[in-house]
Amino acid sequence: EAQVTQNPRYLITVTGKKLTVTCSQNMNHEYMSWYRQDPGLGLRQIYYSMNVEVTDKGDVPEGYKVSRKEKRNFPLILESPSPNQTSLYFCASSVLAGVQTQYFGPGTRLLVL
Amino acid sequence: QKEVEQNSGPLSVPEGAIASLNCTYSDRVSQSFFWYRQYSGKSPELIMSIYSNGDKEDGRFTAQLNKASQYVSLLIRDSQPSDSATYLCAVTANTGTASKLTFGTGTRLQVTL
Repeated sequence: EAQVTQNPRYLITVTGKKLTVTCSQNMNHEYMSWYRQDPGLGLRQIYYSMNVEVTDKGDVPEGYKVSRKEKRNFPLILESPSPNQTSLYFCASSVLAGVQTQYFGPGTRLLVL
Repeated sequence: QKEVEQNSGPLSVPEGAIASLNCTYSDRVSQSFFWYRQYSGKSPELIMSIYSNGDKEDGRFTAQLNKASQYVSLLIRDSQPSDSATYLCAVTANTGTASKLTFGTGTRLQVTL
């Protein structure tokens, strides 16, 4: 089954404790992206990747890091999480950036205390 | 001015009626336009895409695009309770080597019995 998976689905952590949210897709997509969704602000892009070892900042990259060492995986790293990073996070992938359908993962709900 | 604007709603329509969802965008070079549906607590899923001026119909859904007015809409005919969700308008424009997908904040639709 074609899908994007994210782990964990729910996470409660404390300020400053490094965490990683994993994202994996099995569709051989070149493009992958991370979004955060907040009430009243909609979906905002954090980082995206056009292919292996090619990443770039989206609209709200501060406080986040990403890596793309393999085509299928695109982890999101929060080196020192803060309460303002409490949000719902989605990973997405597509064959061709923007024009094609973006397939979204199920989301990761993060609470930073 | 937000790049993609939607009325947050909720838009309430009775079962069987036509729901009309509207979206305006600010970037005149925008090329591709999408409507995503998001049920509460779930990830967005693509339901319609439109690339040229005019109407595009798919089942009970019709997307309308007017590039001169920078306006895109989604009509849902014979609305059903299962259509109750948040509808996200998304727009792309080529930015250098990547296409960027920008989302509106979404319109919440409630279909009442």
